[in-house]
Amino acid sequence: GQNIDQPTEMTATEGAIVQINCTYQTSGFNGLFWYQQHAGEAPTFLSYNVLDGLEEKGRFSSFLSRSKGYSYLLLKELQMKDSASYLCAALDSNYQLIWGAGTKLIIKP
Amino acid sequence: GAVVSQHPSWVICKSGTSVKIECRSLDFQATTMFWYRQFPKQSLMLMATSNEGSKATYEQGVEKDKFLINHASLTLSTLTVTSAHPEDSSFYICSAGSGRAYNEQFFGPGTRLTVL
Repeated sequence: GQNIDQPTEMTATEGAIVQINCTYQTSGFNGLFWYQQHAGEAPTFLSYNVLDGLEEKGRFSSFLSRSKGYSYLLLKELQMKDSASYLCAALDSNYQLIWGAGTKLIIKP
Repeated sequence: GAVVSQHPSWVICKSGTSVKIECRSLDFQATTMFWYRQFPKQSLMLMATSNEGSKATYEQGVEKDKFLINHASLTLSTLTVTSAHPEDSSFYICSAGSGRAYNEQFFGPGTRLTVL
């Protein structure tokens, strides 16, 4: 079966760095997405990786290892507004998105 | 660009009534739109994929006669929850495919449905 695993909840301090991990098992693979979702709102796109390596975009970076079925989202210089759920989603061979349950990130002052 | 709107933002209805939710892509044409449902503290659950001008493809376990989807134009898809029951209360989110090779989706703001 197809499966996405990510931690349920993480806590970090304002100004610090946090890494949210995601492992995936899918039928074929056409890339991995990270989305941010604030409570009561729809997800917003953060990143897309299809090649191995690190993609940096401001305070957020996303890493992918296809051989390991592994990705992480790295958030630097954490701000209180970064408190949200972070959803990992993999695109399978049929271009269907397989969603993880999300990681709730709590930022403390 | 790539703005998707949803209407209404929230709706409360009585059990047994039907509710229609609209999803519009405002500044691009979306040949494919997706309808999701999300229960509290759970991830998105894909309900169906709708393609303009054709019947929607429903995920396993989703009743097509209860959740009617119409994608009449390249900018509008509607989801009608028929004979709603309290267990249908959820957050319904639509997204529109960008048309790019990697199938990025742009999400609407969601509709909170409460069935009394």
